Amino acid sequence: NAGVMQNPRHLVRRRGQEARLRCSPMKGHSHVYWYRQLPEEGLKFMVYLQKENIIDESGMPKERFSAEFPKEGPSILRIQQVVRGDSAAYFCASSPSTGTPSNQPQHFGDGTRLSIL
Amino acid sequence: AQTVTQSQPEMSVQEAETVTLSCTYDTSESNYYLFWYKQPPSRQMILVIRQEAYKQQNATENRFSVNFQKAAKSFSLKISDSQLGDTAMYFCAFSGPGANSKLTFGKGITLSVRP
Repeated sequence: NAGVMQNPRHLVRRRGQEARLRCSPMKGHSHVYWYRQLPEEGLKFMVYLQKENIIDESGMPKERFSAEFPKEGPSILRIQQVVRGDSAAYFCASSPSTGTPSNQPQHFGDGTRLSIL
Repeated sequence: AQTVTQSQPEMSVQEAETVTLSCTYDTSESNYYLFWYKQPPSRQMILVIRQEAYKQQNATENRFSVNFQKAAKSFSLKISDSQLGDTAMYFCAFSGPGANSKLTFGKGITLSVRP
């Protein structure tokens, strides 16, 4: 049973470019969460999505960042016009469709390490 | 808003010994979930153990156990018979009830197991 798949593992962008990070949840999981980890810090919640719906985006920066989880295909975290401060590891996690979200532990992908030149 | 505090930035333990990692949290919720995640140098996030706040019994997973003190809002992780593979960063995390499922993490603690 494949785990949460994130790609790419490493992404290098120049300032002003766009970064697209992909996350395929575990089979049978319809809840997806994105977190950001700055160097030497813990993970910070960004956004929580279910299929075709954003449930909680309270951790997302107001500008340049967006997320989607379409009916078909992976969840995408998109960062437009990247700046040096966007350099971080971005983790995706998923949890099962059954039960209440908080009753199910989140399973994490290996993360995407984004570096901005 | 919930907060999670891990005040020890790093700890070291001799192989085969026992070590306890501290975590405190703050919340106004009466029911919630607490987690310890391990992040080895490979950067994966691995769930170590989970505690449900309405359960008084402390969770145990093999060599890992917790000391959950609800009134004190304390949730420490005990690692028995430490192994070299336990070397990692350990994060304490909180999740609220129902739809409030996002995880709030502490800053983490770096644990080094010495041979």
